Amino acid sequence: DIQMTQSPSSLSASVGDRVTITCQASQGLDKYLNWFQQKPGRAPKLLISDASKLEAGVPSRFSGSGFGTDFTFIISSLEPEDIATYYCQQYDRPPRTFGQGTHVEI
Amino acid sequence: QVQLQQWGAGLLKPSETLSLTCTVFGGSLSGYYWTWIRQPPGKGLEWIGEINHRGTTNYNPSLKSRVTLSIDTSKTQFSLSLSSVTAADTAVYYCARGGARPLDSWGQGTLVTVSS
Repeated sequence: DIQMTQSPSSLSASVGDRVTITCQASQGLDKYLNWFQQKPGRAPKLLISDASKLEAGVPSRFSGSGFGTDFTFIISSLEPEDIATYYCQQYDRPPRTFGQGTHVEI
Repeated sequence: QVQLQQWGAGLLKPSETLSLTCTVFGGSLSGYYWTWIRQPPGKGLEWIGEINHRGTTNYNPSLKSRVTLSIDTSKTQFSLSLSSVTAADTAVYYCARGGARPLDSWGQGTLVTVSS
């Protein structure tokens, strides 16, 4: 199984800050990595697929990069509505494992 | 835009079998894997398994002995069965579209509580 190591597990930032989350895979994934946002009581929402492809309707302050084993998710300027937990997930092969999540708070 | 609506029993006793069904509206089941994910209270997401329209399945090895996924293309539904549940299976269960593709559409989630 591919293990996904996501860090940090939580962070506190101010409105306008740049926020960076990393995800490291135990094996190479090519580009097959998703980033999700989850707010309390809600299903996760897909923000980025293929490591860097922004989904339709997702604000451009969100971005992703990386290939192989090392991936990065960035919020370029944190907004109050970005308070949530963010998860990476590999979909290169089953079991399609998730990272542990990063709780972002202000 | 495809929508997923899920339902099933929300309260089970230990050793019972969890059964959930997800209906897909606005699209067919062809061309995708259909996935189940769960989230224990206050914890992260766990991938349970996936099934495609041909009935090909992939399971999480940690649950494989207790999980069965099935699909009914005529009803655009797919289902999860998890046997011999314990308190550790208490979680919100989600269905979603995707697998080898990104999980781009999700059901609303169903809280399943296992308690005697």
